[in-house]
Amino acid sequence: QVQLQESGPGLVKPSETLSLTCDVSGGSISPYYWIWIRQPPGKGLEYIGFVYYTGTTNYNPSLKSRVTISVDTSKNQFSLKLASVTAADTAVYYCARDVGDSSSGSNWFDPWGQGTLVTVSS
Amino acid sequence: DIQMTQSPTSLSASVGDRITISCRASQSISIYLNWYQQKPGKAPTVLIYGASTLQTGVPSRFSGSGSGTDFTLTISSLQPEDFATYYCQQRYNVPITFGQGTRLEIK
Repeated sequence: QVQLQESGPGLVKPSETLSLTCDVSGGSISPYYWIWIRQPPGKGLEYIGFVYYTGTTNYNPSLKSRVTISVDTSKNQFSLKLASVTAADTAVYYCARDVGDSSSGSNWFDPWGQGTLVTVSS
Repeated sequence: DIQMTQSPTSLSASVGDRITISCRASQSISIYLNWYQQKPGKAPTVLIYGASTLQTGVPSRFSGSGSGTDFTLTISSLQPEDFATYYCQQRYNVPITFGQGTRLEIK
């Protein structure tokens, strides 16, 4: 059974770059899309972006200028970098896998990592 | 971006009640609508995908319906473990967007 685990600093200073990694165990990075989502404390879910195992990416336009998502198939992991962070970037960051049902054409996120809280503060 | 609007944003109900949560998309998304459940301190888990298909292992008291712009999640008989926050998500196009969530509380 595939499991995901986020890792990275829990505290980042304003204007610096947030860097997180998601380790994938129990399965292969290919041939899936891999997702980053975040959730500010007490608020809802926000899609950050995805990376395909080939390296193709898509980013939320609201974050596009600051986000980089990459994949390392040799390490079975993918990563998130968010530049020039502010307090508004304080959130629990989740990684997830995108899976689908070919008969209906539907896709959804499953599984998710447990999430990691990143606080932006000096 | 496709805006997803859930109603109500909070709901109080009792064990055994039947409840319905609505989700409306700002444009047609066909059946590309998923429902997630999130318990405090935990990651969301998918309940329903493709508007009405129950994820494996999810109890049959959960059901989903709708297409186009209007969707509903129904829990036929609330159990204590169902008190959580529920999110709809559109997978019609990118950027992928979520509803603001519906917090289901015990009355």
